[in-house]
Amino acid sequence: DAGVTQSPTHLIKTRGQHVTLRCSPISGHKSVSWYQQVLGQGPQFIFQYYEKEERGRGNFPDRFSARQFPNYSSELNVNALLLGDSALYLCASSLGPGRDEQFFGPGTRLTVL
Amino acid sequence: KQEVTQIPAALSVPEGENLVLNCSFTDSAIYNLQWFRQDPGKGLTSLLLIQSSQREQTSGRLNASLDKSSGRSTLYIAASQPGDSATYLCAVANSGYALNFGKGTSLLVTP
Repeated sequence: DAGVTQSPTHLIKTRGQHVTLRCSPISGHKSVSWYQQVLGQGPQFIFQYYEKEERGRGNFPDRFSARQFPNYSSELNVNALLLGDSALYLCASSLGPGRDEQFFGPGTRLTVL
Repeated sequence: KQEVTQIPAALSVPEGENLVLNCSFTDSAIYNLQWFRQDPGKGLTSLLLIQSSQREQTSGRLNASLDKSSGRSTLYIAASQPGDSATYLCAVANSGYALNFGKGTSLLVTP
């Protein structure tokens, strides 16, 4: 079975631009979470979606938004990119909301110049 | 706010040694705890999940224990191999929807 997939693998943007990252969960999983990991740190929670509804939001500015589609895939959007947004963006899927075991994708490496 | 700490930050051992990685957390009202492995620049691979009602979980050469009352978990790796070299992350699930991660322990196993 395919695991969690993310696209693109790498992305280079300049300050002020907009970016969209995509995630497809494991088949049968209905929950998707997004995390940001900067170098040398543990991942930080951004959003969780379950059944197309936002169930949780971390301490990130409104420039960050996300949505989940009827097939349970998800997009993370970041507007007005800052240098500090450079990070590895990780998507995780789980069967249900909240505290089920999380399975992570390979991540998208975003570099903002 | 849950704080997760992992000690040591880095560890280097010769091949074949048994080793212990430590994780501590400040809020003992957890639902579960997960250990992950991360290779450089890659995503996270789930190693073990311990529910709050459990004391330990085992998978192959890995054994994770949980002492909720004292806010501690350990990951024991038996007979370490160079392929075990990676960063190991501990993550705790509380009442919210987020996993709270430590900064990880960077492990190097030398041949």
